[in-house]
Amino acid sequence: NAGVTQTPKFRILKIGQSMTLQCAQDMNHNYMYWYRQDPGMGLKLIYYSVGAGITDKGEVPNGYNVSRSTTEDFPLRLELAAPSQTSVYFCASSDRKSTDTQYFGPGTRLTVL
Amino acid sequence: LAKTTQPISMDSYEGQEVNITCSHNNIATNDYITWYQQFPSQGPRFIIQGYKTKVTNEVASLFIPADRKSSTLSLPRVSLSDTAVYYCLVGDFGSGGYQKVTFGTGTKLQVIP
Repeated sequence: NAGVTQTPKFRILKIGQSMTLQCAQDMNHNYMYWYRQDPGMGLKLIYYSVGAGITDKGEVPNGYNVSRSTTEDFPLRLELAAPSQTSVYFCASSDRKSTDTQYFGPGTRLTVL
Repeated sequence: LAKTTQPISMDSYEGQEVNITCSHNNIATNDYITWYQQFPSQGPRFIIQGYKTKVTNEVASLFIPADRKSSTLSLPRVSLSDTAVYYCLVGDFGSGGYQKVTFGTGTKLQVIP
């Protein structure tokens, strides 16, 4: 199993550009999450999904959109990138059947200039 | 949603036992306590989870007193590779529906040679 994969690893955007961060998991987990982590800070939940077709906002959803058309994929869309969105983005998944361990991807480092 | 409080940072020498305490005064009856470890430039990794008393695995032990208002992560004989940020999370992972949990800023453990 590859676990949780994220692409790209790094990206530089100009202000106002848009992009999609990709996340996929091969563990058949129902729950998936997007977090952002600013330097020296903890993780903040952006959006989460409890299953295909179902998504909900986390703590900091403004400026982002998500979709969940399949169990495996949970892309995060940034519209009109702003410098405040410069961060490291982590995707995670869990099955919530027992301990609800969240498995994290390697992250995407995004810089908006 | 139970709020957690942890020390911002700790230093320890190699070979020592390290105890990191997390306070969660308003923990709810159904809440579990989970600890994650995060190395620089990586996503967090699950270490251990417990509900009450003591839980031990190959990596760490988790001590939870009877009132469950705090918990202590114990790392035996730390090495330089244990230098990381450790997060304490409290949440109801067993019931239906998703409860948002926050990672906070964690405890930065620095192991000194």
